[in-house]
Amino acid sequence: LAKTTQPISMDSYEGQEVNITCSHNNIATNDYITWYQQFPSQGPRFIIQGYKTKVTNEVASLFIPADRKSSTLSLPRVSLSDTAVYYCLVGDLVQAGTALIFGKGTTLSVSS
Amino acid sequence: DGGITQSPKYLFRKEGQNVTLSCEQNLNHDAMYWYRQDPGQGLRLIYYSQIVNDFQKGDIAEGYSVSREKKESFPLTVTSAQKNPTAFYLCASSRTHKSYEQYFGPGTRLTVT
Repeated sequence: LAKTTQPISMDSYEGQEVNITCSHNNIATNDYITWYQQFPSQGPRFIIQGYKTKVTNEVASLFIPADRKSSTLSLPRVSLSDTAVYYCLVGDLVQAGTALIFGKGTTLSVSS
Repeated sequence: DGGITQSPKYLFRKEGQNVTLSCEQNLNHDAMYWYRQDPGQGLRLIYYSQIVNDFQKGDIAEGYSVSREKKESFPLTVTSAQKNPTAFYLCASSRTHKSYEQYFGPGTRLTVT
């Protein structure tokens, strides 16, 4: 399984764009990149998933460069309610059937 | 409303007692999972089930047991053999074991003294 490295914490202010980068140097050909969000005392929630280039949904964008050794989760104009832990997961569920691995994640703190 | 329910939200037990945590889903998902989360840590996989009557050990299965007799239910038993059972336990499900999107329950916070 590819190991991921994320910053332990990040701070931001309301209205700013936040970019959280995840490093996964040993990503395998069939691995997908998935991001989850977790609020205190709740279960994680799926945000976005991608394989290459850019993926966008109503919540966030995911940027993946051509070499796929890193990925960046972009949250546009954050609000106080975006304060949470964000997890980057890399794995191949389709071919290898490996389970997703949640690391310690990045704790994002948004202030007013 | 479709979703995953876990009960109870808080659970207190004495050391040496077995305790069973409930997890039910009405999403018609094939796969279900149990995770453990300790303060300031990520989630660690205890057991997962790809389909009814089948389950596999995760990274930290020692001291835990599960059953999957019904598609909707995946109870977790924390046995007295688990050395540090106090933790936040999360149950999740996904459409299939190949799905990257897992749906999580609200969790059960277990305290053993």
